[in-house]
Amino acid sequence: EVQLVESGGDLVQPGGSLKLSCAASGFTFSGSTLHWVRQASGKGLEWVGRVRPNFNNYATTYGASVKGRFTISRDDSKNTAYLQMNSLKTEDTAVYYCTRGGSGWYYDLWGRGTLVTVSS
Amino acid sequence: QSVLTQPPSVSGAPGQRVTISCTGSSSNIGAEYDVHWYQQLPGTAPKLLIYGHINRPSGVPDRFSGSKSGTSASLAITGLQPEDEADYYCQSYDSSLGGYVFGTGTTVTAL
Repeated sequence: EVQLVESGGDLVQPGGSLKLSCAASGFTFSGSTLHWVRQASGKGLEWVGRVRPNFNNYATTYGASVKGRFTISRDDSKNTAYLQMNSLKTEDTAVYYCTRGGSGWYYDLWGRGTLVTVSS
Repeated sequence: QSVLTQPPSVSGAPGQRVTISCTGSSSNIGAEYDVHWYQQLPGTAPKLLIYGHINRPSGVPDRFSGSKSGTSASLAITGLQPEDEADYYCQSYDSSLGGYVFGTGTTVTAL
């Protein structure tokens, strides 16, 4: 089955760190661009960042609100992408979705999401 | 802060046609970057509905259609069904921001 499964969401204090994982199956993970998109409760979607495949040198790009605090990486041998989140703020509280980037810069496959809560 | 603006809500009777606008600028939709649409049913992850302005992935009913003109795009639902009640988001790329952007989102209600 073609799917993405996120894990690692948790309750963390402001200023803390957390690492999310996105396990892929059913497609050629190594050739795909992976994105992270988040959604605060009752709010809209916000693009977090993306990591490109090996033949694009695993290039990463981030949204302005997370740049310098979040890092996206991948391990093609494990078909898994990661989102390392540091210096977390209360406004980072959201459901974090892992998505696959289609050839036309759209997201054609989504995981179910994992909840990150930043609170003291 | 979204750079693509959508109406907060639209509604219509079952069977009617409803449209959702997505207004951007010269650095995203107006710069010829593709516009895509997603449907998010309550409590679920978003799902790709329209890609490249007008294309439907396999399995998406043909009552959903997309269009684009200038710095705006639109999603139309022709023959609204109760199961179409959901949130809808447009998405594109913005060259000024150097990243991907979503619309503010629109809740569709079947009266």
